[in-house]
Amino acid sequence: GESVGLHLPTLSVQEGDNSIINCAYSNSASDYFIWYKQESGKGPQFIIDIRSNMDKRQGQRVTVLLNKTVKHLSLQIAATQPGDSAVYFCAETSSFSGGYNKLIFGAGTRLAVHP
Amino acid sequence: EADIYQTPRYLVIGTGKKITLECSQTMGHDKMYWYQQDPGMELHLIHYSYGVNSTEKGDLSSESTVSRIRTEHFPLTLESARPSHTSQYLCASRPPSGGATDTQYFGPGTRLTVL
Repeated sequence: GESVGLHLPTLSVQEGDNSIINCAYSNSASDYFIWYKQESGKGPQFIIDIRSNMDKRQGQRVTVLLNKTVKHLSLQIAATQPGDSAVYFCAETSSFSGGYNKLIFGAGTRLAVHP
Repeated sequence: EADIYQTPRYLVIGTGKKITLECSQTMGHDKMYWYQQDPGMELHLIHYSYGVNSTEKGDLSSESTVSRIRTEHFPLTLESARPSHTSQYLCASRPPSGGATDTQYFGPGTRLTVL
């Protein structure tokens, strides 16, 4: 069945280091991917998205890489800061059947940034 | 940043009570969603709506019901709350397809505890 999973449940990094959070997906028809950040007690916050016609997209301090060959998605955070500590979710969806109507979420990776 | 609101933020209630969780968005989004999330776990879609008078059940079976009488409002109701309903409930909305992004924007969530 369709699934989105994450390789590492917890990632601990030193402040200032770069962080890489990985995600695997199984639905070959997925053509739109999103990374969300969720802080404790809050709803998921959109970070960055990427469509399947791209393999890389950059935002402010964040980069998403998409490898469709191995169905792998990663989120890179440059110069990680304490404020980046949160749970990060990847989500996938497909434009098949009329539009991006459902997101499939992975289990989440907790990023802990240490001073 | 999306303008989507949920009330109450926290609710502690006894078994058997009827409750309604409110969700409103001011962006005119046609598609709205309800997710259920246990602490540290992935989000599970329980209801969604394509627009006024449209409601669909999500991937996770839920005893709750929803209504969509107005575009901006998507309340979720539990007729008789039980301890198994204890969870965080997240509301989301999405802009029409064809725009710059197809992501869903989330509210802050309602943390429900049923005693």
